[in-house]
Amino acid sequence: EAQVTQNPRYLITVTGKKLTVTCSQNMNHEYMSWYRQDPGLGLRQIYYSMNVEVTDKGDVPEGYKVSRKEKRNFPLILESPSPNQTSLYFCASRSNRRNTEAFFGQGTRLTVV
Amino acid sequence: AQSVTQLGSHVSVSEGALVLLRCNYSSSVPPYLFWYVQYPNQGLQLLLKYTTGATLVKGINGFEAEFKKSETSFHLTKPSAHMSDAAEYFCAVSEVKTSYDKVIFGPGTSLSVIP
Repeated sequence: EAQVTQNPRYLITVTGKKLTVTCSQNMNHEYMSWYRQDPGLGLRQIYYSMNVEVTDKGDVPEGYKVSRKEKRNFPLILESPSPNQTSLYFCASRSNRRNTEAFFGQGTRLTVV
Repeated sequence: AQSVTQLGSHVSVSEGALVLLRCNYSSSVPPYLFWYVQYPNQGLQLLLKYTTGATLVKGINGFEAEFKKSETSFHLTKPSAHMSDAAEYFCAVSEVKTSYDKVIFGPGTSLSVIP
């Protein structure tokens, strides 16, 4: 089954404690992306990757890091989380063909206290 | 710069009534357009998309949308709402560029279906 898997689904952490949210896809997609979803703001792109070792900033990259060492994995790293990073996070992947849709993970609800 | 607006952050309809969710976009070139649905506690999934060809696009669960270039719109409709249609709906635009096309999502419309 084609899917994007995120872990964990729920996470509560304290300010400043480094954390990683994992994302893996099994569709051999070149393109992967991270979004955060906040009420009234829709989805905002944090980082994206066009392929292995190719990453770039999205609209709201501050406070986040990513890496793309393998095609299937695209972890999101919060080196020093702060309360304003409390949000619902989604990983997505798609082919580089422009007319294709994105496949989304189930989401990670992060709370930073 | 491209953008997507969705009129109405929340829409309520009665079961069996017409569903109309509005989406307008701005783009300097012909866009690719998508509607996604997000059910509670789930990720987004594709409802339908317009790339080229027929401007009336049919999707899953009885939804359809029409691309109107002159109005820069891509409104989503369903003739008869079902309780299971209650969800968040996102319109998205992907602008065709030479190298990388960025997908911009609208703010979303929450659909409630009243029994």
